[in-house]
Amino acid sequence: QKEVEQDPGPLSVPEGAIVSLNCTYSNSAFQYFMWYRQYSRKGPELLMYTYSSGNKEDGRFTAQVDKSSKYISLFIRDSQPSDSATYLCAMRYTGTASKLTFGTGTRLQVTL
Amino acid sequence: GAVVSQHPSWVICKSGTSVKIECRSLDFQATTMFWYRQFPKQSLMLMATSNEGSKATYEQGVEKDKFLINHASLTLSTLTVTSAHPEDSSFYICSAPGGANEKLFFGSGTQLSVL
Repeated sequence: QKEVEQDPGPLSVPEGAIVSLNCTYSNSAFQYFMWYRQYSRKGPELLMYTYSSGNKEDGRFTAQVDKSSKYISLFIRDSQPSDSATYLCAMRYTGTASKLTFGTGTRLQVTL
Repeated sequence: GAVVSQHPSWVICKSGTSVKIECRSLDFQATTMFWYRQFPKQSLMLMATSNEGSKATYEQGVEKDKFLINHASLTLSTLTVTSAHPEDSSFYICSAPGGANEKLFFGSGTQLSVL
């Protein structure tokens, strides 16, 4: 079993839809949780960064962490074609100098 | 966020030659940088941790002599793929922690194609 599980997709939604992306993990020691967006042949771009459980909102993006269920989510409201990319969840322990464990990424396609 | 610059963005080379990839932190210092490899439609695989002023730490299964890492200054790390072969063709990405809580920022990646 992988430490971090993420559905690879692809996930296709119409423009304007609400997108829900999810990851599950097995190690309860993870404390920091991130979502990255990666366009084809580009480096990942940090979208959301959260510590422990709770919600965080930034514009059209909302990140949720449920440590009791070992489950994290990223919601994208009013999705746009420019949101079409691969979304990677990542997480790390405290004091690991940023050494992240990544999910496999979910490929999202927002259609007109 | 912090900016990490990576060059070149793509390189084509002949089998047996060596290729150097540079990773720079532009507006912050990084004593540690990370090098990843990514195959199509797969996630990032950590290859090694680059440490300024000391030897790099390689992940299990990564050949130290094949992938030479040098972290000569607080803003520059280099990855040299030595005696490259077609199986080394991949997308290589560097990253560096910056800012509060050591958020990880990535370079734009280098697509290596070995003929």
